Amino acid sequence: DQQVKQNSPSLSVQEGRISILNCDYTNSMFDYFLWYKKYPAEGPTFLISISSIKDKNEDGRFTVFLNKSAKHLSLHIVPSQPGDSAVYFCAAWVTDKLIFGTGTRLQVFP
Amino acid sequence: GAVVSQHPSRVICKSGTSVKIECRSLDFQATTMFWYRQFPKQSLMLMATSNEGSKATYEQGVEKDKFLINHASLTLSTLTVTSAHPEDSSFYICSATDRSGANVLTFGAGSRLTVL
Repeated sequence: DQQVKQNSPSLSVQEGRISILNCDYTNSMFDYFLWYKKYPAEGPTFLISISSIKDKNEDGRFTVFLNKSAKHLSLHIVPSQPGDSAVYFCAAWVTDKLIFGTGTRLQVFP
Repeated sequence: GAVVSQHPSRVICKSGTSVKIECRSLDFQATTMFWYRQFPKQSLMLMATSNEGSKATYEQGVEKDKFLINHASLTLSTLTVTSAHPEDSSFYICSATDRSGANVLTFGAGSRLTVL
């Protein structure tokens, strides 16, 4: 049972444009959400997070939006850069466990 | 920032042998370490949670006798894949937290296990 889902396995965006990565979850007990970036054969690196008591958090080019009623969060990257090309995972904390989504491969082309 | 070191980064072994993967927190004391596994093009699946000085808690479907986890110190946790088989070939990633209230897990670079 996948509690955290990223329905788009891949996304292709032109450099300079906005990248929007989406994530849906089923468990209303999730209280903290994170986005990680991952390159092949490497561990995930933390990007940005948001508490369930907020609906937006911004850090430079990265903004995360949380819609609790829809159980949906999204990561906006603007402007997108070729170096952003990687697999992005959303993750959520529940009862001392960090649960990962299925991942979205972002490709930013010139 | 927090750094987690994982070793080896890549290991190839014969079927039936055992392989040990080490996970170290370099600049903090990790009261809790997590072990994940990732199959190609799939998500990171939590295998087990280990707390220093106590037995690991395994997720449903993960064989504790096959994946031995030892967290003997605040800076070191080990995962031993016993009697490895080709289906155990995967990317194993550890993460650690000092439980200071931070919600961000720091991950190691991962270990690619290939069982022939």
